Amino acid sequence: AQKITQTQPGMFVQEKEAVTLDCTYDTSDPSYGLFWYKQPSSGEMIFLIYQGSYDQQNATEGRYSLNFQKARKSANLVISASQLGDSAMYFCAMREGNFGNEKLTFGTGTRLTIIP
Amino acid sequence: KAGVTQTPRYLIKTRGQQVTLSCSPISGHRSVSWYQQTPGQGLQFLFEYFSETQRNKGNFPGRFSGRQFSNSRSEMNVSTLELGDSALYLCASSRQDARQYFGPGTRLTVT
Repeated sequence: AQKITQTQPGMFVQEKEAVTLDCTYDTSDPSYGLFWYKQPSSGEMIFLIYQGSYDQQNATEGRYSLNFQKARKSANLVISASQLGDSAMYFCAMREGNFGNEKLTFGTGTRLTIIP
Repeated sequence: KAGVTQTPRYLIKTRGQQVTLSCSPISGHRSVSWYQQTPGQGLQFLFEYFSETQRNKGNFPGRFSGRQFSNSRSEMNVSTLELGDSALYLCASSRQDARQYFGPGTRLTVT
């Protein structure tokens, strides 16, 4: 079974609109972390946001927020007021277990295109 | 604070050769992980080093190896290169406070 599933291969969104990128995960470990990364065409993976499995509140980082629904095993990324510079590939990733296991398992990504 | 740096950024090698890639983590970060990204397989974990010890290893053949030095810098070596090793190789560093930060990657082309 896929540990991280991103069901949207591509999305087109109008500039200034909010966008939600979907991510579902599968783990039996009660301790895990969820990440979102942005990868522009240059190739660098840019850290956006992190949510720990025991965090009580949804994570937020500027225009990025993570809609964490533990029972549904989903961790959707919400980008508010999208900008042209947001066009990129977006990856959801998971680390299982406690600190000491730094291995990330990635989804297949969503290519986001912002339309002016 | 300087980010994760990787050298070289681009590399072209011939089948059968070997290659060494370098990664310098963010200052204070002791964990360095390596990933391979290809269009067909996506992002796959290679291995992770912490305090000069390999702590975790992905499912790659023994041709892929790595090491970490006392200053936390890490190198990755691929011997007997194959065409399928052409990929973007990314390294990430962390301070074990959950967040992992990636470098710009080394794009390896094997001809």
